[in-house]
Amino acid sequence: DIQMTQSPSSLSASVGNSVSFTCRASQSISKYVNWYQKKPGTAPKLLIYAATTLQSGVPSRFSGSGAGTDFTLTIRSLHPEDFATYYCQQSFSIPWTFGQGTKVE
Amino acid sequence: EVQLVESGGGLVKPGGSLRLSCIGSGFAFSSFNMHWVRQAPGKGLEWLSSIDESSSYLYYAGSVEGRFTISRDNAKNALFLQMNSLRAEDTAVYFCARDATTVTAEPLDYWGQGTLVTVSS
Repeated sequence: DIQMTQSPSSLSASVGNSVSFTCRASQSISKYVNWYQKKPGTAPKLLIYAATTLQSGVPSRFSGSGAGTDFTLTIRSLHPEDFATYYCQQSFSIPWTFGQGTKVE
Repeated sequence: EVQLVESGGGLVKPGGSLRLSCIGSGFAFSSFNMHWVRQAPGKGLEWLSSIDESSSYLYYAGSVEGRFTISRDNAKNALFLQMNSLRAEDTAVYFCARDATTVTAEPLDYWGQGTLVTVSS
């Protein structure tokens, strides 16, 4: 199975800050990475797919980069609604796997 | 509007069974691969299983293979997860999700609100 390792596990930030966090795959997965936002009691929300493509309706302050084994999600100028947990997920091979999450608080 | 609505969760004893359902609306259900994902209390997301449009290809995570069975009824826009031999560690919120099948990296673009399964004696 492909392991997805996110870092950091959590980070403290303030409204207006820009933050970045990473996801590392245990083997090369081309650009088969998706990023989701998860808030307690709600369904995950797709933010970025194929490593760099912004999902329709997602604010442009979110961006993704990377290919191969190393991927980054960046939030430029945090809004209050962005405090959540973010997960990367690989769809390169079955079983699909998620990272353990990065909580922005 | 695309909607996915899960049902069937509840309290079950260890070793018991439960069948989850997910009804899709607002899209051509029969044209999309579908998935189940869960989140245990205080834990991260865990992919469980997927099924292609025609039920020809079924895939499972190792943690549930042999115990869970995914299926679908395209005539009823329904996705199912039959869960047998349930364990305490299966306690989680279970989500169904649509796979954006024709898009690179097949992201899970729509999710249901989740249904809680609690396995406890």
